[in-house]
Amino acid sequence: QQQVKQSPQSLIVQKGGISIINCAYENTAFDYFPWYQQFPGKGPALLIAIRPDVSEKKEGRFTISFNKSAKQFSLHIMDSQPGDSATYFCAARDRGSTLGRLYFGRGTQLTVWP
Amino acid sequence: GAVVSQHPSRVICKSGTSVKIECRSLDFQATTMFWYRQFPKQSLMLMATSNEGSKATYEQGVEKDKFLINHASLTLSTLTVTSAHPEDSSFYICSAPRGDSNQPQHFGDGTRLSIL
Repeated sequence: QQQVKQSPQSLIVQKGGISIINCAYENTAFDYFPWYQQFPGKGPALLIAIRPDVSEKKEGRFTISFNKSAKQFSLHIMDSQPGDSATYFCAARDRGSTLGRLYFGRGTQLTVWP
Repeated sequence: GAVVSQHPSRVICKSGTSVKIECRSLDFQATTMFWYRQFPKQSLMLMATSNEGSKATYEQGVEKDKFLINHASLTLSTLTVTSAHPEDSSFYICSAPRGDSNQPQHFGDGTRLSIL
């Protein structure tokens, strides 16, 4: 069973537009929500992360919005650029896991057209 | 710069060969490392959790005798795919939290394994 549900599976955005990727979860024990960016043939790289005690976190063009009551969080990429074309994964960590295990969404393949 | 180094980046070998993949934490100690497998255009699938000084914890459905994990030191974990077959071909990635389990996980650049 997928513990973190991610949508859309793929996304095409024009350069300068806003890319929005959504994730949802059910497990209330999740206490940390990172987003990873992965280019072909590379490992995922941590992009931005949020904890449930804040509703929004912004780093440059990347913003996470977090809705604790709805158990949803989303990644917004402002002024999307062709270099942002990659696969994005949302994830969640179970605070009950002493080892810090992450649960990943299925991923969103983003293509930004010039 | 990279905080987790994975080697080799690519392996091509014949069926029946055993292949060892190394995962090193750079400039920090990792008592825990995670090993993932990723098929094309799919998400990361956790295979096992590597624990320094103790046995690895495998996810359900992952063969322990097929995928041997050794966490030899606080900076090195190895995954050995024993007697590899074409169906073992995949992208293998390791990760480690930089610090305790509350710290973000950093990933290696992965190993592309191709079994002929």
